[in-house]
Amino acid sequence: SQQGEEDPQALSIQEGENATMNCSYKTSINNLQWYRQNSGRGLVHLILIRSNEREKHSGRLRVTLDTSKKSSSLLITASRAADTASYFCATRVDSSYKLIFGSGTRLLVRP
Amino acid sequence: IAGITQAPTSQILAAGRRMTLRCTQDMRHNAMYWYRQDLGLGLRLIHYSNTAGTTGKGEVPDGYSVSRANTDDFPLTLASAVPSQTSVYFCASSDGYRDTQYFGPGTRLTVL
Repeated sequence: SQQGEEDPQALSIQEGENATMNCSYKTSINNLQWYRQNSGRGLVHLILIRSNEREKHSGRLRVTLDTSKKSSSLLITASRAADTASYFCATRVDSSYKLIFGSGTRLLVRP
Repeated sequence: IAGITQAPTSQILAAGRRMTLRCTQDMRHNAMYWYRQDLGLGLRLIHYSNTAGTTGKGEVPDGYSVSRANTDDFPLTLASAVPSQTSVYFCASSDGYRDTQYFGPGTRLTVL
């Protein structure tokens, strides 16, 4: 089974609204990352949060991490149609550089 | 070349045939990875390499092999393709210290 599980699986919102996606994981982590994938494309890194951090911001993105609950959330504020994509969380769990990805949240932002 | 390139873009392959997917990066990253992406399952790690000359198995390594003769190239070989290997394959690399992975555009493989 996968380390990360995103919730919800799909989300549809109106342009200008905020979008919140959640990620839960099972084992202790070194860091957690969020990636975006536009249809038919490779993944693009959005933000990384380390296990000793609780919150991080990047532009319209806000990521939180609760290691006691083994969960993270990604908030996209003032969403735009161009934010329509799939969003994946990924965790690094050991000294290797490999990541374990969740199954993703499909976000649709309606103009 | 800028970033990661993959070849071919897409391929239709008869079952039982041998196939090598190519991946090249020009960022001098020490770590490289191969993933497959299937609908509803996200990305699953097939094989990885932390540095040239070393490789490791991921979540779903069976039926695949890799080599890492140099820093830039990380080919993925299917020795005898089967229909269950129909998928989209992504190569990625990272400067291990920075952790961020950079992805190629993907190869869409169909095994009939």
